[in-house]
Amino acid sequence: GQQVMQIPQYQHVQEGEDFTTYCNSSTTLSNIQWYKQRPGGHPVFLIQLVKSGEVKKQKRLTFQFGEAKKNSSLHITATQTTDVGTYFCAGQGGGNKLTFGTGTQLKVEL
Amino acid sequence: DGGITQSPKYLFRKEGQNVTLSCEQNLNHDAMYWYRQDPGQGLRLIYYSQIVNDFQKGDIAEGYSVSREKKESFPLTVTSAQKNPTAFYLCASSTRQNSPLHFGNGTRLTVT
Repeated sequence: GQQVMQIPQYQHVQEGEDFTTYCNSSTTLSNIQWYKQRPGGHPVFLIQLVKSGEVKKQKRLTFQFGEAKKNSSLHITATQTTDVGTYFCAGQGGGNKLTFGTGTQLKVEL
Repeated sequence: DGGITQSPKYLFRKEGQNVTLSCEQNLNHDAMYWYRQDPGQGLRLIYYSQIVNDFQKGDIAEGYSVSREKKESFPLTVTSAQKNPTAFYLCASSTRQNSPLHFGNGTRLTVT
């Protein structure tokens, strides 16, 4: 079945440093979604990427969909304490099934 | 979050008892989902429904049951057959299958 892996599992950064999480699928995806879950909270939708090679930006966040539509990345520039949380990718593959990645937990230290 | 209500926030049960988790949405969404989240793992799909009176098994449906008698409601029953029921349960909805998900606040179930 479809598998979606994320690396790293954990990341500690100093405030102001950059952060990147990578998402890799075992199968080609029709689209990929990204979610953020704050500690003790629930996942909140951030963005959806559909096109091969697509790049989208939301303020300090940059999302990229790979050319082969099997991988994606989320990059945060100059992290802030408000960025703390777990970031999940979710890929839609064959059969319209949405599979969540394992998540990357980000901690930001002052 | 606004639009999807899960209750209660915390739930405690004894082993061997069935328990039903509530999920109500007023977003007029057609699709609804139940996910299970365990520490260090992603979200795993239990059941989903695209339309009233119809639902499909997800990846880990064993030991769970659902109903979709109304568009607004998608309750999940955790039965005594579920071998490891202690987890954080998240209900979600979307306008159609696999469009961006809108999650509820979740129910943390502890079975002892």
